[in-house]
Amino acid sequence: ETGVTQSPTHLIKTRGQQVTLRCSSQSGHNTVSWYQQALGQGPQFIFQYYREEENGRGNFPPRFSGLQFPNYSSELNVNALELDDSALYLCASSQDGTSYEQYFGPGTRLTVT
Amino acid sequence: AQKITQTQPGMFVQEKEAVTLDCTYDTSDPSYGLFWYKQPSSGEMIFLIYQGSYDQQNATEGRYSLNFQKARKSANLVISASQLGDSAMYFCAMREYRSGATNKLIFGTGTLLAVQP
Repeated sequence: ETGVTQSPTHLIKTRGQQVTLRCSSQSGHNTVSWYQQALGQGPQFIFQYYREEENGRGNFPPRFSGLQFPNYSSELNVNALELDDSALYLCASSQDGTSYEQYFGPGTRLTVT
Repeated sequence: AQKITQTQPGMFVQEKEAVTLDCTYDTSDPSYGLFWYKQPSSGEMIFLIYQGSYDQQNATEGRYSLNFQKARKSANLVISASQLGDSAMYFCAMREYRSGATNKLIFGTGTLLAVQP
């Protein structure tokens, strides 16, 4: 069984640009959560997708948006990038929206200049 | 208010010794879960151990055990027989089940553990 994968590994963008990050969930998992981890901090919950619908959101502005596809892979889109968006973005998949077992991917390191 | 507090920014331990990483939490939800994750320099969060608020016994997973003291709202991680490969960042996290059908985890700021030979 394959684990959670994320792409790209690293990304450099300029302030004001838009970015799309991708996550493939673990086989059999229908729920994906996204987290932002700034340097020296713990991860912060952005939102969760369950069966292609957003069903929970943290304290992030609307320029952070997402999608989940029928195969349960997911995208995180960030518009109008700001310098403070520089962080490690982690996705985690789980078997359903209430399972306590979450499996994290290796993350995408985004740098905004 | 901080919901998860990890007061130890960094810890040193000698190889083969035991180490305790501290975590206190704050919640008004009677149903919650507590987690510990390990994050090596590669970035991936590795699940170590879970404790439910209604679990009577402290959780154990191999060399990891969770010292759960509900009245004190603490959930310390104990790593026995430390190995060089245990050197990493360790995060305590909490999930409040009242929040409904999401897996939202609230993380602390982490403790950087260095195992010395």
